[in-house]
Amino acid sequence: GAVVSQHPSRVICKSGTSVKIECRSLDFQATTMFWYRQFPKQSLMLMATSNEGSKATYEQGVEKDKFLINHASLTLSTLTVTSAHPEDSSFYICSARFRTGNNEQFFGPGTRLTVL
Amino acid sequence: GENVEQHPSTLSVQEGDSAVIKCTYSDSASNYFPWYKQELGKGPQLIIDIRSNVGEKKDQRIAVTLNKTAKHFSLHITETQPEDSAVYFCAASTWNFNKFYFGSGTKLNVKP
Repeated sequence: GAVVSQHPSRVICKSGTSVKIECRSLDFQATTMFWYRQFPKQSLMLMATSNEGSKATYEQGVEKDKFLINHASLTLSTLTVTSAHPEDSSFYICSARFRTGNNEQFFGPGTRLTVL
Repeated sequence: GENVEQHPSTLSVQEGDSAVIKCTYSDSASNYFPWYKQELGKGPQLIIDIRSNVGEKKDQRIAVTLNKTAKHFSLHITETQPEDSAVYFCAASTWNFNKFYFGSGTKLNVKP
């Protein structure tokens, strides 16, 4: 149990286009999902916390108009990178927390975004 | 806010030896400490966690110890195997907040 999927796993796009990444909790309900960004050989940087049915909470320095987050249901959150630029190229990882219970987060497999 | 420091950044051991990775945290309110293993191109996988009401937890070859007074916790891997080679991250969190503060990661290389 506690499986989180991400789609797509890898995406290449042209500069100026928008890219949507989906994060799904496959076998549990997640009130809260998190979006992280990871640069090569670096740690995970929390971008935003996504709560079902409400606006996402963004970390300091993360542009909310650039990284649109929607958490429409208890099993799905989406991250849209708008007007992508090469500096947005990164590994994006989501995680999901159980609706009830402990503090444990389950991570998705990540999405590799390359902006040309 | 919380600051988590992790050492060493790289660790190379011979197969069968033990590996120890250490983390320190700054916020005494932190009370949940998970450890994650991340293989190349994949998302982090939880391997063990510990809560502040426990000093040690063990799961087969993996153990975690916590010293609340000193604000540090460690991951111990015994009888290492080549498949243990990966990047390991520690994290700290509190029950009241959702945020996980991650360490900088340790690249473990287990040589056959």
